[in-house]
Amino acid sequence: EAQVTQNPRYLITVTGKKLTVTCSQNMNHEYMSWYRQDPGLGLRQIYYSMNVEVTDKGDVPEGYKVSRKEKRNFPLILESPSPNQTSLYFCASSLSDRGRAEAFFGQGTRLTVV
Amino acid sequence: GDSVTQMEGPVTLSEEAFLTINCTYTATGYPSLFWYVQYPGEGLQLLLKATKADDKGSNKGFEATYRKETTSFHLEKGSVQVSDSAVYFCALINNYGQNFVFGPGTRLSVLP
Repeated sequence: EAQVTQNPRYLITVTGKKLTVTCSQNMNHEYMSWYRQDPGLGLRQIYYSMNVEVTDKGDVPEGYKVSRKEKRNFPLILESPSPNQTSLYFCASSLSDRGRAEAFFGQGTRLTVV
Repeated sequence: GDSVTQMEGPVTLSEEAFLTINCTYTATGYPSLFWYVQYPGEGLQLLLKATKADDKGSNKGFEATYRKETTSFHLEKGSVQVSDSAVYFCALINNYGQNFVFGPGTRLSVLP
C-alpha cells in the first residue's frame, strides 16, 4: 500500500529539547516536503527536497532543519523547540512530474512545546 | 510568487444542499490544479485534479473545472451529505513540478 508514515503522531516536549519527527515513503518519490498547519493560516511549507542530498527552504524554515540521506526518508529536526512551533505537522511526497503529480500526505504529527 | 485564494468559511449547509467553494489562483505558466480534503484527525487526501485548461476533475460527486480565463477552479457538489463535513484545500503545482501551493482551507459542516 502506498503510504507516507510519520512518527510520532503526538508529542509534548519542553522548550529547548531537541527533537526529530521522522517521515518515510514507500513510493520511490523524488520530491518530499514538510508543512505546518495552523488555524487560519492553512498549510505553510517549511522545507522541501527534490532528491537525495538536495533540500531547500520553503516559506517558514526558521527554527527547523531537514536532511535527505536516503530517498525514502526525510526527517524534520527541531534543534531548540520553542512554543511558537506548537503546531500540526505534515510530511508529503510526490513525483516530480507535473503531469502526474499528486501529493501523498502522512497522518500528521501534533507537536506541543511547553 | 504563486498563490491560491479560497473562501475561508466556515460553510454550513443542510444535507442535500448545493455546494460551491470558490478558488482562484495566481501562477506563472500553466499550473496543475487540485482539491484536497482533510477529514477530522486525518491527513490530506486528493479529491480531484485537473492538469490543463478546460479539464474537469471529478470524484465522489464533486467536480471542478480548470478555467484559465478566470484563473479559477471552483469546487461544486450537487447534493452534500453529512459525511462530506471536512476541510477542503485548493492547491496548485507550478510548471516545474517542484512545489505545491495551498489555499488556506475551507471548513464545511453539513447538518442532517
